[in-house]
Amino acid sequence: NAGVTQTPKFRILKIGQSMTLQCTQDMNHNYMYWYRQDPGMGLKLIYYSVGAGITDKGEVPNGYNVSRSTTEDFPLRLELAAPSQTSVYFCASSYSSGFEAFFGQGTRLTVV
Amino acid sequence: QKEVEQNSGPLSVPEGAIASLNCTYSDRVSQSFFWYRQYSGKSPELIMSIYSNGDKEDGRFTAQLNKASQYVSLLIRDSQPSDSATYLCAVNSFNAGNNRKLIWGLGTSLAVNP
Repeated sequence: NAGVTQTPKFRILKIGQSMTLQCTQDMNHNYMYWYRQDPGMGLKLIYYSVGAGITDKGEVPNGYNVSRSTTEDFPLRLELAAPSQTSVYFCASSYSSGFEAFFGQGTRLTVV
Repeated sequence: QKEVEQNSGPLSVPEGAIASLNCTYSDRVSQSFFWYRQYSGKSPELIMSIYSNGDKEDGRFTAQLNKASQYVSLLIRDSQPSDSATYLCAVNSFNAGNNRKLIWGLGTSLAVNP
């Protein structure tokens, strides 16, 4: 049972470059989330989705975009990477809103 | 602004002792409460869920919920060095659109000393 799978695990980007963080889950969860976690700052919600074709902004959406074409996949797109986007990114999924969330292994992104 | 607060620590306990981690929340209508463990460099891992007042035990872990006082705690009995991690409290809450969402605390760092 794979759960939530994120790729890549590590990435270094140059300022202004773009990339997509991939996330897929095999638990048939409707809800999926993208968080970023900075040292001492806790988990910040970037975007979330309540089902295929439906996405909404979280607390810190600027500089990011998402799409949800299938129940399984929820990619996060970074356009014009900036040093402020250096962080650890976690994808998570849950059966419904407010229920326990299950996390992927994370992506450590450095923008230089 | 709905909030979840935790003491950042570090909380240091000797091996074999009981570690007590506390969490308070501001939304009186919250219904679901979760404890996650996060090892350094790893993702959060769910260890306990609790939904009603009282205690819930799972192995060495006991979650305690008091909705009247708006706090939830996690007790770890017979603490082991492998329990050294950051423990995150998450509470479900309703936002302005009456949708439930998880609100996260910043976490408490626990160090269990051999």
